[in-house]
Amino acid sequence: GENVEQHPSTLSVQEGDSAVIKCTYSDSASNYFPWYKQELGKGPQLIIDIRSNVGEKKDQRIAVTLNKTAKHFSLHITETQPEDSAVYFCAASNNQGGKLIFGQGTELSVKP
Amino acid sequence: DVKVTQSSRYLVKRTGEKVFLECVQDMDHENMFWYRQDPGLGLRLIYFSYDVKMKEKGDIPEGYSVSREKKERFSLILESASTNQTSMYLCASGLDIQYFGAGTRLSVL
Repeated sequence: GENVEQHPSTLSVQEGDSAVIKCTYSDSASNYFPWYKQELGKGPQLIIDIRSNVGEKKDQRIAVTLNKTAKHFSLHITETQPEDSAVYFCAASNNQGGKLIFGQGTELSVKP
Repeated sequence: DVKVTQSSRYLVKRTGEKVFLECVQDMDHENMFWYRQDPGLGLRLIYFSYDVKMKEKGDIPEGYSVSREKKERFSLILESASTNQTSMYLCASGLDIQYFGAGTRLSVL
């Protein structure tokens, strides 16, 4: 079945720096790749997603890139702020009933 | 705003007890999901449901069952709780975009 690997598990950056989180997937049929942010004491919330017919998508300070050939996708956060501190999860889906396979998570810490 | 509500934020149960975790969504979604979240393992799918009275096993269904009698409600059942089921349990609803509840932290002593 599908497997999603996410790196790094923890990431610490200075405020204003960029942060990059990388994921690889195993199922070439996967065609939907969302990213979720989980703040302390809350459930994960979608922050950006990308479909396999697009190579890059941007929303203000966050962007996601997809390389279908290599089967990997990445989250880029620019000009990081302390409120970006959270756990980030990548996921992949081949649209079988909306089932998502999640990566292991990355704990991002942005230091003022 | 979509709202997914989990009945309890924290639960403490004894080994062997039958445990019910309840989840309600208000967006008329057909699909609902139960995950458990453990450090270093991410979110792992336990069970999901496409419709009322329908259920499908996820990746780690052993020791769990589910019930979906109404479209808005999806219950996770631990028939006989064990210490290795101590975890954070997250409910979600939706299709491509999944909307999550705040989670139930279950401790089995």
